[in-house]
Amino acid sequence: DVKVTQSSRYLVKRTGEKVFLECVQDMDHENMFWYRQDPGLGLRLIYFSYDVKMKEKGDIPEGYSVSREKKERFSLILESASTNQTSMYLCASSLAHSNQPQHFGDGTRLSIL
Amino acid sequence: GQQVMQIPQYQHVQEGEDFTTYCNSSTTLSNIQWYKQRPGGHPVFLIQLVKSGEVKKQKRLTFQFGEAKKNSSLHITATQTTDVGTYFCAELSNTGKLIFGQGTTLQVKP
Repeated sequence: DVKVTQSSRYLVKRTGEKVFLECVQDMDHENMFWYRQDPGLGLRLIYFSYDVKMKEKGDIPEGYSVSREKKERFSLILESASTNQTSMYLCASSLAHSNQPQHFGDGTRLSIL
Repeated sequence: GQQVMQIPQYQHVQEGEDFTTYCNSSTTLSNIQWYKQRPGGHPVFLIQLVKSGEVKKQKRLTFQFGEAKKNSSLHITATQTTDVGTYFCAELSNTGKLIFGQGTTLQVKP
């Protein structure tokens, strides 16, 4: 069974801090994704990656960056956290082939004070 | 940009009643995936539809893809409290990105 693990379930940080959210998958998936989920807005794609050291902007990349140094790990970075980045962050992975479902982690609920 | 509109946003039903959520697009969809997210949980893949007019069933859940491939629906017959959650439709683009609808949150009163 696919396992996508996010490093923290809950996280509280302060405005201006640099924040790292980590995601690891154990199924050798090529694709990895970072979403944020807010009430009434559904899931919005922040960044995604098709391969190691490769990244693509999603729909809302502003204020975020990512790192994919190893195939199994995809990190989301908030360069200087702001209160409007308080949200639920979900990581997902999938195989490279078309028509493959995405497998999600349990999410990190991030609060920026 | 490309959008998938999903309605209703919320639905409250009495246990045993039926439930339907709809997804619509102004452009032709290449496919539709459906996900369920339980309260406090993460989205879990349910099914994918690819063919025009396709109908698939999973126990009490019936998924349909419109003939013109511009809409899809999920119908639950005789809801149970275990059906509570948010149901998302999403289109998988040829680049591997998922374009999600806003989701329908289902509450079931026992």
